[in-house]
Amino acid sequence: NAGVMQNPRHLVRRRGQEARLRCSPMKGHSHVYWYRQLPEEGLKFMVYLQKENIIDESGMPKERFSAEFPKEGPSILRIQQVVRGDSAAYFCASSYSGANVLTFGAGSRLTVL
Amino acid sequence: EDKVVQSPLSLVVHEGDTVTLNCSYEVTNFRSLLWYKQEKKAPTFLFMLTSSGIEKKSGRLSSILDKKELFSILNITATQTGDSAIYLCAGLNTGTASKLTFGTGTRLQVTL
Repeated sequence: NAGVMQNPRHLVRRRGQEARLRCSPMKGHSHVYWYRQLPEEGLKFMVYLQKENIIDESGMPKERFSAEFPKEGPSILRIQQVVRGDSAAYFCASSYSGANVLTFGAGSRLTVL
Repeated sequence: EDKVVQSPLSLVVHEGDTVTLNCSYEVTNFRSLLWYKQEKKAPTFLFMLTSSGIEKKSGRLSSILDKKELFSILNITATQTGDSAIYLCAGLNTGTASKLTFGTGTRLQVTL
């Protein structure tokens, strides 16, 4: 059981570029969550997805950010036209249907120069 | 807006000491309180507490929830250097999404 796999672990982008972060949930998990952790802050909920559906995106900025969880393949968090304030650790978590305990991945650390 | 506050922000203890970490919460339609341990990688699940007054234990770690006073504590006895980590507390509501509201964490350092 490989757990929740995130890649890349580290990503460096220049301002204005696009960042794509990928998350493969644990085997058997169909629910995916994305959280952002800014320096010296707690994890903040961004978006909750099930296969092919966004269930709750109340924590995601309205512009430049999007997320998907296609029928096949990993979940993708996409940040367009990155700015320095997007520099953070982005954690993905997954759960199986009905479960409340989330299993987290190791995170993707985005640095915007 | 839901809020979770942890204290202390950081703590340095000697190996063998006992520590108590605090977590207070204001979560609309509260369901459960979760504790996670975050080292350099993924936060790892420790406890989920749903009922008041029932202590959960795992080895040297234990935790309890008080739903009347809206707080939880995490105790670690006979601390070891491997306990050094950030301990995260999170509130879970009863909404359609398993959306956790996290505190900023308590950074624990255990020295020899």
